Amino acid sequence: DTAVSQTPKYLVTQMGNDKSIKCEQNLGHDTMYWYKQDSKKFLKIMFSYNNKELIINETVPNRFSPKSPDKAHLNLHINSLELGDSAVYFCASSQAAPRQQYFGPGTRLTVT
Amino acid sequence: SQQGEEDPQALSIQEGENATMNCSYKTSINNLQWYRQNSGRGLVHLILIRSNEREKHSGRLRVTLDTSKKSSSLLITASRAADTASYFCATDENTGGFKTIFGAGTRLFVKA
Repeated sequence: DTAVSQTPKYLVTQMGNDKSIKCEQNLGHDTMYWYKQDSKKFLKIMFSYNNKELIINETVPNRFSPKSPDKAHLNLHINSLELGDSAVYFCASSQAAPRQQYFGPGTRLTVT
Repeated sequence: SQQGEEDPQALSIQEGENATMNCSYKTSINNLQWYRQNSGRGLVHLILIRSNEREKHSGRLRVTLDTSKKSSSLLITASRAADTASYFCATDENTGGFKTIFGAGTRLFVKA
């Protein structure tokens, strides 16, 4: 019954590694998002996808590459991880405007 | 740039009291939303108010919007310990909802 799910929930890795976070929504929504929440709880949008097309890319380093194989999935791949990438990453989805968003439980990424 | 700024940053009250949180934003908007985040969880949508609305109610929640002052307030009446969470306002910066900007949040602690 989970509306928006993310895996893994926790991810601990070393600098320089490449990792992926997966997101799936079963709400039939057209739009999906990735957000980054830092240690001060500030939530910043990274990407928005609508019908598998990239709409918003908020000047995210190109080490971050989202991929949407279909409307229900939006995965986030991160290359060459850096210490500053440590954060909680949230996936969300929404239907048409005014776009109330449904959030996943988050993935806590720790880069050592 | 951060669109929404919440005030206060933190609020501690007794159960049964009312809690008021304020949000200011910078650009014109189509709508403003409030979300709640419990510790370690994803955000949950509470209420959405459109730019042509001035007040909206949902259960114990009351939201006001003053577009002339670019501000909104969230009132939680008769607070409960379970209301302890962080509360965020979010605006869409006139992008059709694809770019949602969240404020820094207000951390509410309700003492039983």
